[in-house]
Amino acid sequence: GDSVTQMEGPVTLSEEAFLTINCTYTATGYPSLFWYVQYPGEGLQLLLKATKADDKGSNKGFEATYRKETTSFHLEKGSVQVSDSAVYFCALSDQDKLIFGTGTRLQVFP
Amino acid sequence: GAGVSQTPSNKVTEKGKYVELRCDPISGHTALYWYRQSLGQGPEFLIYFQGTGAADDSGLPNDRFFAVRPEGSVSTLKIQRTERGDSAVYLCASSLIAGEGQETQYFGPGTRLLVL
Repeated sequence: GDSVTQMEGPVTLSEEAFLTINCTYTATGYPSLFWYVQYPGEGLQLLLKATKADDKGSNKGFEATYRKETTSFHLEKGSVQVSDSAVYFCALSDQDKLIFGTGTRLQVFP
Repeated sequence: GAGVSQTPSNKVTEKGKYVELRCDPISGHTALYWYRQSLGQGPEFLIYFQGTGAADDSGLPNDRFFAVRPEGSVSTLKIQRTERGDSAVYLCASSLIAGEGQETQYFGPGTRLLVL
C-alpha cells in the first residue's frame, strides 16, 4: 500500500540556519502531497501542498517541490526562526484519506 | 469562522467501558474524517464520511469501533469495551468536499483518550 517515509528527528538548528526535512513516498497512483505542522499545544495545520508533479508548494518561507522521478517532497526553509519549532508531518492523499509519515521534530535555538 | 471542534478534550476511562467522542466540523464542510494518533507517530486513518454515509471505514481496527454522522454535520466516534491499547489522541478533520484527494483537510485539536 501507499506509504510515507520521513527523516527521524529531532532536527536541532540555530536561528537563521537552513532547513531540510526529507520526505519520500510510495504510491501506486498520482497522489497530492502535503506538509502539516503541529506547534506545541496546538492541532495539526496545513503548511503547504502540491497536487501534481513539479508543482512547488510554499508558505511562510517554507517550500517543497513534488518530484515524481525521485518520489520525494522535501521541505526546505532558507532561514529558520525559533517560532518554527514544531513537529512536521509529510502526508499523501490516497483517494481521500491522508497517509502520514511519523513526523520530524524541529528545535530551533536562538 | 470557527474551526473543527472536538469534545471532550481529554477522556479518562477504565478498561471495558464505553466511550463516545464528538466532532463538530467546519460549517458547510461535507466530508469528515477520523484519525488516531499514538505517541510519537503520525495520524492513522480510521473512517471518512461524505455527507451522512461512511464512504470508507477501512481504517477501523475492529468491530469495537463505530462512527455515525446522522445529519451530515456532527459525528460521534464510539468505542465499546475499551482496551488499554485504545489510548491515543483521536483527531477529527473536515473538508469542503471530497474529491480526488486534493482537498485540504482541517483538523480539530483532538481528544486525548486514556484507558486505565
